[in-house]
Amino acid sequence: NAGVTQTPKFQVLKTGQSMTLQCAQDMNHNSMYWYRQDPGMGLRLIYYSASEGTTDKGEVPNGYNVSRLNKREFSLRLESAAPSQTSVYFCASDVSYEQYFGPGTRLTVT
Amino acid sequence: QQQVKQSPQSLIVQKGGISIINCAYENTAFDYFPWYQQFPGKGPALLIAIRPDVSEKKEGRFTISFNKSAKQFSLHIMDSQPGDSATYFCAATNSGNTPLVFGKGTRLSVIA
Repeated sequence: NAGVTQTPKFQVLKTGQSMTLQCAQDMNHNSMYWYRQDPGMGLRLIYYSASEGTTDKGEVPNGYNVSRLNKREFSLRLESAAPSQTSVYFCASDVSYEQYFGPGTRLTVT
Repeated sequence: QQQVKQSPQSLIVQKGGISIINCAYENTAFDYFPWYQQFPGKGPALLIAIRPDVSEKKEGRFTISFNKSAKQFSLHIMDSQPGDSATYFCAATNSGNTPLVFGKGTRLSVIA
């Protein structure tokens, strides 16, 4: 099992550009999550999906959209990137509250 | 509003010493308290977790102590090793299908 995979690993965008971060899990988990991690701020929840077909806002949803494409895949889209969105993004899935994290995407917006 | 407060932000411990990280929570409905360990360049991984029906849980050198009346829980790392150097996050949730709430993390450095 690959667990939780994320693509790309690194990305540099210019202000105003758009992109989609991809996440997939092969553990048949119902719930999936997107976090951003910034120095001194810990892990902040952007959006989550408790099950296929549902999505909910987390703590910091502004500037992001998500799509739960199927049970395996949960994507995060930045429509118009801003420097404040420079961060490391983690996708996770869970079973019984044990979350499994992907390796992260390091995004820089210039 | 931060619902889980974690301290200290950073910690330096001598090899063989005890590392202690503390967390306090506000929501009395929380009933699951995990700790995650994150190495540089990696995603966090579950280390150990506790539910409030017990006051302590031990797995190897790692122990969670839980004080329900004080709404506090802590991670103790006994005989700390350089390989334990990582960032540690506490978290909490209630078992009602709500997401985990994470503390801001503690960067632990174990020096020889």
